Amino acid sequence: DIQLTQSPSTLSASVGDRVTITCRASQSISSWLAWYQQKPGKAPNLLIYKASSLQSGVPSRFSGSGSGTEFTLTISSLQPDDFATYFCRQYNSDSSWTFGQGTKVEIK
Amino acid sequence: QVQLVESGGGVVQPGGSLRLSCVASEFTFRHYGMHWVRQAPGRGLEWVAVISDDGSHKYYADSVKGRFTISRDNSMDTLDLQMNSLRPEDTAMYYCAKTWDSSGFSVADPWGQGTLVIVSS
Repeated sequence: DIQLTQSPSTLSASVGDRVTITCRASQSISSWLAWYQQKPGKAPNLLIYKASSLQSGVPSRFSGSGSGTEFTLTISSLQPDDFATYFCRQYNSDSSWTFGQGTKVEIK
Repeated sequence: QVQLVESGGGVVQPGGSLRLSCVASEFTFRHYGMHWVRQAPGRGLEWVAVISDDGSHKYYADSVKGRFTISRDNSMDTLDLQMNSLRPEDTAMYYCAKTWDSSGFSVADPWGQGTLVIVSS
């Protein structure tokens, strides 16, 4: 199975900061990676698909990049509503799907 | 707007069974693959199972293989997860999620709000 490793696991930042989260795959997944945001008590919400495509309705301060085994999610200017947990998920495999362990973005 | 509403969660003893359901609306259910994903309290997300649009292809995580069965009724726009031989480590919020294609091998979005399963004696 393909493993995804996210880093860091926790990130402390201030409003206005530029934030970058990394997701590394154990083998190439081309661009078949999505990023989700999850707030406490809520279902995950899709931000980015196919590594760099912004989901409709998601603010443009969110962006994704990468291909193969290394991917990043960037928030260009952190806003109060962005304090949440972020997960990457691969959908390259045709028989199993995996998530990264999550990155919690906290207020500094 | 796509809606997914899960139900069927509750408290069950180890070794017991539970059947979860997900009712879909505001999209053509029979055209899309569907996932179940779970999240243990305070933990990350774990994919559980996927089913293709017509139910002909099903895949399971190793942790539930042989114990859980995913199914769908396209006439009723419902997705089910039959869970047998439940273990304490199956305790989690269970989410259903729609995929963007018929096979299920694509992005999962949106998700329902989840139903909580607690396995405890």
